[in-house]
Amino acid sequence: GESVGLHLPTLSVQEGDNSIINCAYSNSASDYFIWYKQESGKGPQFIIDIRSNMDKRQGQRVTVLLNKTVKHLSLQIAATQPGDSAVYFCAENIGNAGKSTFGDGTTLTVKP
Amino acid sequence: DADVTQTPRNRITKTGKRIMLECSQTKGHDRMYWYRQDPGLGLRLIYYSFDVKDINKGEISDGYSVSRQAQAKFSLSLESAIPNQTALYFCATSDGQADTQYFGPGTRLTVL
Repeated sequence: GESVGLHLPTLSVQEGDNSIINCAYSNSASDYFIWYKQESGKGPQFIIDIRSNMDKRQGQRVTVLLNKTVKHLSLQIAATQPGDSAVYFCAENIGNAGKSTFGDGTTLTVKP
Repeated sequence: DADVTQTPRNRITKTGKRIMLECSQTKGHDRMYWYRQDPGLGLRLIYYSFDVKDINKGEISDGYSVSRQAQAKFSLSLESAIPNQTALYFCATSDGQADTQYFGPGTRLTVL
């Protein structure tokens, strides 16, 4: 069967390694998903988004994967750098309702 | 210059005091939001507004009120602050075309 990555509140990786951050979303009607990065002392910032008609989207060093069957979202960061250390949140949205539901966040720490 | 600004950035107050947190944006967005963030938790929606004449309660509106003075300004009030309102407060905006939100730097509020 399908294996689903666990959501972990913290993740520690070595600089240069790839990171995978997981998120389970709650509403099967959600059709738009966003990953945000929150650095210490700052507000969350948009990283990448994906719509439900896609299962993968790539950005610069980041890839988002969407598995609607198991309501799971993941963020992959390639060649993780110290500047990637932050809290990462997923957010789910329905249509253009204008409200996002945020996950609890994963704190990523990059070790030099 | 920051597109979404919040004042004050830090505030310490006493139980029972009235507090106002202010948010201004230069992005020209119609939609504005107030969230609170507690340690280890995600963002919880307090109030949101889709235009100047529109105010909606979020999931945790009790003990808070808001005012949308203009398209660019959205203020959050705590009529009688209590210690469990100690948190980090974020304002955000959205253009309504997608649900991507743009966050301010946050206000750290401590209620003694």
